[in-house]
Amino acid sequence: AQKITQTQPGMFVQEKEAVTLDCTYDTSDPSYGLFWYKQPSSGEMIFLIYQGSYDQQNATEGRYSLNFQKARKSANLVISASQLGDSAMYFCAMREGSQGGSEKLVFGKGTKLTVNP
Amino acid sequence: NAGVTQTPKFQVLKTGQSMTLQCAQDMNHEYMSWYRQDPGMGLRLIHYSVGAGITDQGEVPNGYNVSRSTTEDFPLRLLSAAPSQTSVYFCASRQYGRSYEQYFGPGTRLTVT
Repeated sequence: AQKITQTQPGMFVQEKEAVTLDCTYDTSDPSYGLFWYKQPSSGEMIFLIYQGSYDQQNATEGRYSLNFQKARKSANLVISASQLGDSAMYFCAMREGSQGGSEKLVFGKGTKLTVNP
Repeated sequence: NAGVTQTPKFQVLKTGQSMTLQCAQDMNHEYMSWYRQDPGMGLRLIHYSVGAGITDQGEVPNGYNVSRSTTEDFPLRLLSAAPSQTSVYFCASRQYGRSYEQYFGPGTRLTVT
């Protein structure tokens, strides 16, 4: 079974609007962390936001917020006020384990976001 | 700090050739790892290291070797390149205990013909 599922291969949004990218995960470990990365066409992996399984509040970083619903095992990324530069692939990933944590980051297949002017 | 650096940026190999992808970090991170990204896929872990002299296999280790003689460097060796190893390779590092971090290098695009 896939540990990270991103069900939207592609998404379109108008500039200045908000968009939600979906991510569901599967783990039996009570301690885990969820990441979102942006990969522009240039290819680098850019860290956006992190949510720990024990964090009480949803993570936010500027225009990025993570809608963490633990019971539903979902960790959706919300981008507010989309910009043309937000056009990229977006990956959800999970690390299991407490303390140092597992070294393995498990990635979803990604969502390609296109921001239209 | 340069962060995580990788060389080369691009490489073309013929089937059966060997080569080493270089990775270095200047953040004194204990953990280093190698991932590969195939078209339309997320990254998959190849090998990782939790410190100098200590390495372990990830999800897709076959056809690759690693060693970690220093904290800074973590080279990935392709022993006998195959077309199935055509991919983009990312090196990553983080500090032990900081499971909320993961720094990635810029990637190496490898084509095996």
